[in-house]
Amino acid sequence: DVKVTQSSRYLVKRTGEKVFLECVQDMDHENMFWYRQDPGLGLRLIYFSYDVKMKEKGDIPEGYSVSREKKERFSLILESASTNQTSMYLCASIRLGTGTYEQYFGPGTRLTVT
Amino acid sequence: GQSLEQPSEVTAVEGAIVQINCTYQTSGFYGLSWYQQHDGGAPTFLSYNGLDGLEETGRFSSFLSRSDSYGYLLLQELQMKDSASYFCAVRESGGYQKVTFGTGTKLQVIP
Repeated sequence: DVKVTQSSRYLVKRTGEKVFLECVQDMDHENMFWYRQDPGLGLRLIYFSYDVKMKEKGDIPEGYSVSREKKERFSLILESASTNQTSMYLCASIRLGTGTYEQYFGPGTRLTVT
Repeated sequence: GQSLEQPSEVTAVEGAIVQINCTYQTSGFYGLSWYQQHDGGAPTFLSYNGLDGLEETGRFSSFLSRSDSYGYLLLQELQMKDSASYFCAVRESGGYQKVTFGTGTKLQVIP
């Protein structure tokens, strides 16, 4: 079974802190994604990566950066956390060439910025 | 960019059939997926339509009409455990394979 893990289920940080959210997948998937999920807004794409050291902005990249130094690991960085970044953060990965383009999601990190 | 529209809430009776619609506007389209998410859980993949027509997987079916920029998820023989949020998602054409999700439909199944 594909497994996508995220470093924390719950995280509380203070305004202005630098925050790292880690995501690891164990199935050699090429593409990885970071979403945030807020009530009524669905899943919004922050960044995605299609290869090591390669990244593309999603729909809401402002205030975030990402890092992908190894194929299995994709990190989301909040440079200076703000209260409007309080949200559920979901990581996902995909193996290309399967036809269905099924995304596998991690359990999520609920981040609270105070 | 992409935009997807789906109803925010649907209520249906146990044992019945329910259809959740999704319309999309896109600059480049490859396919439409559906995901289920229970409260407190992660989204899980249900189906994918790359071509027009109906795809069936057990009690769930998904339909796509590219010419109408429209798709739907059909759930048959509803069970209480089907109460969840359902998201459609568009896979963009092009090299980077970006995926955009709709805002989700919360399905409540009642006895």
